[in-house]
Amino acid sequence: SAVISQKPSRDICQRGTSLTIQCQVDSQVTMMFWYRQQPGQSLTLIATANQGSEATYESGFVIDKFPISRPNLTFSTLTVSNMSPEDSSIYLCSATGQADQETQYFGPGTRLLVL
Amino acid sequence: AQTVTQSQPEMSVQEAETVTLSCTYDTSESDYYLFWYKQPPSRQMILVIRQEAYKQQNATENRFSVNFQKAAKSFSLKISDSQLGDAAMYFCAYRSAYAGGTSYGKLTFGQGTILTVHP
Repeated sequence: SAVISQKPSRDICQRGTSLTIQCQVDSQVTMMFWYRQQPGQSLTLIATANQGSEATYESGFVIDKFPISRPNLTFSTLTVSNMSPEDSSIYLCSATGQADQETQYFGPGTRLLVL
Repeated sequence: AQTVTQSQPEMSVQEAETVTLSCTYDTSESDYYLFWYKQPPSRQMILVIRQEAYKQQNATENRFSVNFQKAAKSFSLKISDSQLGDAAMYFCAYRSAYAGGTSYGKLTFGQGTILTVHP
């Protein structure tokens, strides 16, 4: 299974600012995803991070608010732009390995609080 | 679109006892994967068990086993000999197996079940 790390693990930000979350995988993976988990809730898919091209966003999420990059097979970033208190959530990165493309493995998450 | 429903917001079990968590799903597809993930307070999502829809045999992983009823679209998780470390939020998830479709690779999660283990 892939080992996934995220930075930062948590942050407190002021409204109107932006935060970039990094996701690093220890091996080459096929697909990478970004999820949001609001307090006490389930996970909601934000987008699929595509290597070398624009991410594919789910309904309700737009590139201007959540720009995503994936410059190579092991790294991706998610930016939460122009933050408001409603963006306070846990943001999780996940990936599927080249050997096992059916199972998603998750990073430890980034806990974001917007004041 | 697929949906996943976990009807038990909370469950509790005594240490060393057995507990079953329920999950139902709705899909028109015949080939897919089902997963149970565990999320302890540390918030790390940990894969517990996986089931391929084309396999009739129920998956098992040590103390964890599933009861997969494809016709009923039911996928329950049984935890035997419960341990304090099993306390967590458990999520059931669905993944399409059709490559190239708009849903390919994406996980659809249920609402989660909080499991408490009493010593």
